[in-house]
Amino acid sequence: ELKVEQNPLFLSMQEGKNYTIYCNYSTTSDRLYWYRQDPGKSLESLFVLLSNGAVKQEGRLMASLDTKARLSTLHITAAVHDLSATYFCAVPQGGSEKLVFGKGTKLTVNP
Amino acid sequence: GAVVSQHPSRVICKSGTSVKIECRSLDFQATTMFWYRQFPKQSLMLMATSNEGSKATYEQGVEKDKFLINHASLTLSTLTVTSAHPEDSSFYICSASKSADTQYFGPGTRLTVL
Repeated sequence: ELKVEQNPLFLSMQEGKNYTIYCNYSTTSDRLYWYRQDPGKSLESLFVLLSNGAVKQEGRLMASLDTKARLSTLHITAAVHDLSATYFCAVPQGGSEKLVFGKGTKLTVNP
Repeated sequence: GAVVSQHPSRVICKSGTSVKIECRSLDFQATTMFWYRQFPKQSLMLMATSNEGSKATYEQGVEKDKFLINHASLTLSTLTVTSAHPEDSSFYICSASKSADTQYFGPGTRLTVL
């Protein structure tokens, strides 16, 4: 059974600081997704990582995937308040399109 | 990007009634749609996979007679919560698969059962 673990689950950081969110998964997968969710809203797609070593960047966020270590990271650079949200990683189950989500990381960026 | 809509966005109903939620892919055809449930401050849990023209596939622990799914066309899937009870109150989110690598999520439907 695929398990997806994120840490930390809660992250409070100051504006301007850097931090990394980790996503570990238990079975082989060559794809991983990162989403953002604002309170009361649905998911916004951030990154689709499709191969080992994939690295993608958008603004202050950068995501990477190491399929051998079964690990993805979401790195936040010089955080700003607008990044406050819950971030989820998700991994397809058994080569299917079914996604198993991590528990989410609630990020709060304080002025 | 592709657009997926859900209707209604919010619904309040009395216990024992049934509620239908629609999920539409507006600018692409989706042979597969997914239904997720999210309880407050929790993650998304896949409920079922909806395939156009065939029966839905339910995840373990999800009652198929309670959560009726119909995928009548390539752009529409519906989830009906039958005989709803307060414990069914949740945020229901659908997604539509445009390709093997990409799902687009709807805006969600917040169901409150009194």
